[in-house]
Amino acid sequence: DAKTTQPTSMDCAEGRAANLPCNHSTISGNEYVYWYRQIHSQGPQYIIHGLKNNETNEMASLIITEDRKSSTLILPHATLRDTAVYYCIVSYSGAGSYQLTFGKGTKLSVIP
Amino acid sequence: NAGVTQTPKFQVLKTGQSMTLQCAQDMNHNSMYWYRQDPGMGLRLIYYSASEGTTDKGEVPNGYNVSRLNKREFSLRLESAAPSQTSVYFCASWGDRRARADTQYFGPGTRLTVL
Repeated sequence: DAKTTQPTSMDCAEGRAANLPCNHSTISGNEYVYWYRQIHSQGPQYIIHGLKNNETNEMASLIITEDRKSSTLILPHATLRDTAVYYCIVSYSGAGSYQLTFGKGTKLSVIP
Repeated sequence: NAGVTQTPKFQVLKTGQSMTLQCAQDMNHNSMYWYRQDPGMGLRLIYYSASEGTTDKGEVPNGYNVSRLNKREFSLRLESAAPSQTSVYFCASWGDRRARADTQYFGPGTRLTVL
């Protein structure tokens, strides 16, 4: 699976959009980009994933660049409960069971 | 529908003791995983099971054994616990990865301290 690079930490004002970047310059054509978050040592929680098109769900939006070498997770109106560590993971999408490799992620602090 | 459950939630062991961490999922998923997370670190894969009857090593398998008891249950055993195994252990499951909306679901974790 391709490696990812994320900033160590970010701050965001409550009510503003949080934009979390991720670089994955060695991603291959059949690898998805996944985003998870972990709130205070709870089990990681799935947020969103995508292959090449932008994606949106009730939690967030995922913007993937045309060359697929980077992506941005957008939390449109951050709340204090969004304070967490956010993990960007690239993983093969084919049949079979594959691993998710978690890096250290980005610690997002939402500030009142 | 409880998702992924883990028992126990907390455990303290002495060096050399053994124990089994239990994990069960009720989503009829094929794949199950065991991770550990040390303070300030990301999750590291210990073992995984692609389907009932199969298990494979992950990144950090030494000191652990696993059993895929049936499709629902995947246990992790520490035969002789060491202080280096003090960590938070997460179990996860995943169904058909080709399914568009499928994701990996995690349990709440077991916090293990080895003295």
